[in-house]
Order: sequence, then C-alpha cells, then structure tokens
Amino acid sequence: QVQLQESGPGLVKPSETLSLMCTVSGDSITSYFWTWIRQPPGKGLEWIGYIYFTGSTNYNPSLKSRVTMSADTSKNQFSLKLSSVTAADTAVYYCARAATYSTTWPLDYWGQGTLVTVSS
Amino acid sequence: SSELTQDPAVSVALGQTVRITCQGDSLRIYYASWYQQKPGQAPILVIYGKNNRPSGIPDRFSASSSGNTASLAITGAQAADEADYYCQSRDSTTNHLIFGGGTKLTVL
Repeated sequence: QVQLQESGPGLVKPSETLSLMCTVSGDSITSYFWTWIRQPPGKGLEWIGYIYFTGSTNYNPSLKSRVTMSADTSKNQFSLKLSSVTAADTAVYYCARAATYSTTWPLDYWGQGTLVTVSS
Repeated sequence: SSELTQDPAVSVALGQTVRITCQGDSLRIYYASWYQQKPGQAPILVIYGKNNRPSGIPDRFSASSSGNTASLAITGAQAADEADYYCQSRDSTTNHLIFGGGTKLTVL
C-alpha cells in the first residue's frame, strides 16, 4: 500500500520560506511524478507543481518564481520550498502521486495534508 | 484556455441519480479525473481515464465525456456521497495539472 506523509512547520512568518517534506512508503519515487497541491481554508484545490526523480520539475506559472522542488531517492522523499510567503499562502498542503499509467495523470495516492499558517 | 469550470453546488434526492459536469478545452484531448473530498479529509480519486474506478470505489460512480465536457454520475446517491467533487486534467502543451473549482454535492 502506497502511503505519503507530509511534514514540516505549521507556522511560518511572512516573507520567510515555507519548507515541507513528503515521505513515501510502499513505492519508489523513481517511478511516476510526485506532486504538491494546496487548498486555502474553505477554497478549492490548487496544483503547485511536480517533480520526477531525475530532478525534472514543472511548476504552476502563478507560483513558479517562488517554488523549488527537490527529490532524495536515497530517503524516498521529495520536498517543497515556497519563498517570500504571505498570508495568501496559508493553506493545507498535500503531496500526491501522479500516476502516469493513465494519460490524465490522476493523483491516485495522497498524503493526509498539513496545515501551514503564515502569520507573525 | 487551461481552466476547468464546475457548477459550485448541486443537490440530489437520496437514491436518485446526479451528474456533475466539468468544462474546459483540455477535456477535448484528455479525460478528466474526479476526486471526492469530505470535510477535514484529503481528496480521494474516484474516477480516472475513460471510466476507471480505483479499487474500493463503488460502481455507482461512473464517468462520461463529450467534446469539452466531462461528467461524473452517481447512480443511486447515498448520504455518504455528500462531499465536494473536483475534476482534474492536464494541459496538453505545458503538462500543467488543472483542477476545476469544485462542486459541493448535497444529498437531500
């Protein structure tokens, strides 16, 4: 059974960098694309970006200037950094697997999500 | 355009059939994936591809597609189906993933 678990600080100060880690078990991150999604309180889902284990990335254009993703195959983890955060970045952050066995790349496994609040 | 449009809210009587729609140019090329999200929980995948259900998803969930519109049907809606539903696709040019704004389903 594939499981994903997000970890990282729940509170980040404005203008600082949000850093989250996603630990994957039950699958190797050398397969598929690994994705970050966020959901502001009471709002819909927003795709942040995805990474392949080679380091190849693709980011949401609205966040691209502030986003960095990386992958560590030795630990089977991938990470998200979002710089210069503001209150608008307050959201539940999810990591998920993008299943390339289907042309639609469905997100078939998700972490439970972690709430990150941006506040001084 | 790389947007997906959903009706904000839909309601259905218990045991009846409901269709939730999603419109967008990317759907002319790719099928939509559909997710169910209940309050305080992560989304779960209920349909992907032409009409594929992951293991454990009841067969009362089905999908169809025509032109730029994808539809998720729930046949014989149950109280447990009350949730937010999101469609998702990807842009064929950029490979960006796209989510619809979500539809809140109420089972009456």
